[in-house]
Amino acid sequence: DSGVTQTPKHLITATGQRVTLRCSPRSGDLSVYWYQQSLDQGLQFLIQYYNGEERAKGNILERFSAQQFPDLHSELNLSSLELGDSALYFCASSGQLGETQYFGPGTRLLVL
Amino acid sequence: LAKTTQPISMDSYEGQEVNITCSHNNIATNDYITWYQQFPSQGPRFIIQGYKTKVTNEVASLFIPADRKSSTLSLPRVSLSDTAVYYCLVGAHYNTDKLIFGTGTRLQVFP
Repeated sequence: DSGVTQTPKHLITATGQRVTLRCSPRSGDLSVYWYQQSLDQGLQFLIQYYNGEERAKGNILERFSAQQFPDLHSELNLSSLELGDSALYFCASSGQLGETQYFGPGTRLLVL
Repeated sequence: LAKTTQPISMDSYEGQEVNITCSHNNIATNDYITWYQQFPSQGPRFIIQGYKTKVTNEVASLFIPADRKSSTLSLPRVSLSDTAVYYCLVGAHYNTDKLIFGTGTRLQVFP
């Protein structure tokens, strides 16, 4: 158990819909990262927040957005969902910048 | 971040030592080498990190030659539960804001 929690574990929705994925970092960790893992793309970095501020952006679509709240939990919002958005979405956290990242169990999203 | 090259897959038997080599020819002076393990449908798990020579923890050893252009993850006496994908990542410790995962090495351990 990494100490990072993600909800929900599974999510099934339809194309065009919007969903919100939630992540709670390890106690005391200030950085939260979001990754997407699909069969054909592997693990891809999406976005990072540090103490409430966006710090780095990766291959995140404009239909996706994220935020980190004052209590340091983070949410990833996915809108106008497409079939290709079906994937595992992982959240990771670390204490300080550059420190080891600890991954949560992931949210499996299926878009039908 | 430096590009890494690993074997796509490896097979082993229980009780054997497994060595997975990663090539990173353009590693920078400030880069560290980090290995993660991932089981199906689970998040990657940190295994070990090193800068040079040898690092050992309760799970694995990491061997890094003097030129640092490659590294070898050594798993002693593997068991069936070590069947997983192993990722080698290279990046500056202070600037590893985003982990860039390659395709990894799929290790299959047989009884």
